[in-house]
Amino acid sequence: EAAVTQSPRSKVAVTGGKVTLSCHQTNNHDYMYWYRQDTGHGLRLIHYSYVADSTEKGDIPDGYKASRPSQENFSLILELASLSQTAVYFCASLGLGGRAEQFFGPGTRLTVL
Amino acid sequence: AQSVTQPDARVTVSEGASLQLRCKYSYSATPYLFWYVQYPRQGLQMLLKYYSGDPVVQGVNGFEAEFSKSDSSFHLRKASVHWSDSAVYFCAVSYNYAQGLTFGLGTRVSVFP
Repeated sequence: EAAVTQSPRSKVAVTGGKVTLSCHQTNNHDYMYWYRQDTGHGLRLIHYSYVADSTEKGDIPDGYKASRPSQENFSLILELASLSQTAVYFCASLGLGGRAEQFFGPGTRLTVL
Repeated sequence: AQSVTQPDARVTVSEGASLQLRCKYSYSATPYLFWYVQYPRQGLQMLLKYYSGDPVVQGVNGFEAEFSKSDSSFHLRKASVHWSDSAVYFCAVSYNYAQGLTFGLGTRVSVFP
């Protein structure tokens, strides 16, 4: 069973603070993604990665950094958290071939106060 | 830029009734097309996808979708819904799915007994 886990599952941060969201996959997938979901809206792509030690910007990268230290791990970093970054963040992984399906983690609910 | 429109924010149906959720995309070429479902407090799960070939694709749990190039649409259907189908359904597209997905705003489906 493909698995993507995220930590923490919920976090409250202060404006201007640093936040790190972590994602771990055991799918042996090369591709990993970070999306954000705002209340009542679809998901938007923040960053993604093809391979360890390399990341790419998605559609809304401003205010976020990403880090892919290994194939299994992909982090999203908010250096200076802002109120507008309150959202649910989803990580996903993708292995090419086969069903070509992105597997999503359960999400991290981030509240910035 | 590619975009996805799901015109119905909410749909309410009775258990046993049929369901159709609409999705239209805006893109110069035929993209990869997906339907995802999000159950409460969970991540997203793929229901089905379309790349090419037969315009009617079968998915999990009795869902199917029909692609129309002339209409730029990818509508989701189910002949008979169950209360457990209550969830938010997202249509998503990608020109290169390895570079992430573009999601619609979602349709919240409520199934009443």
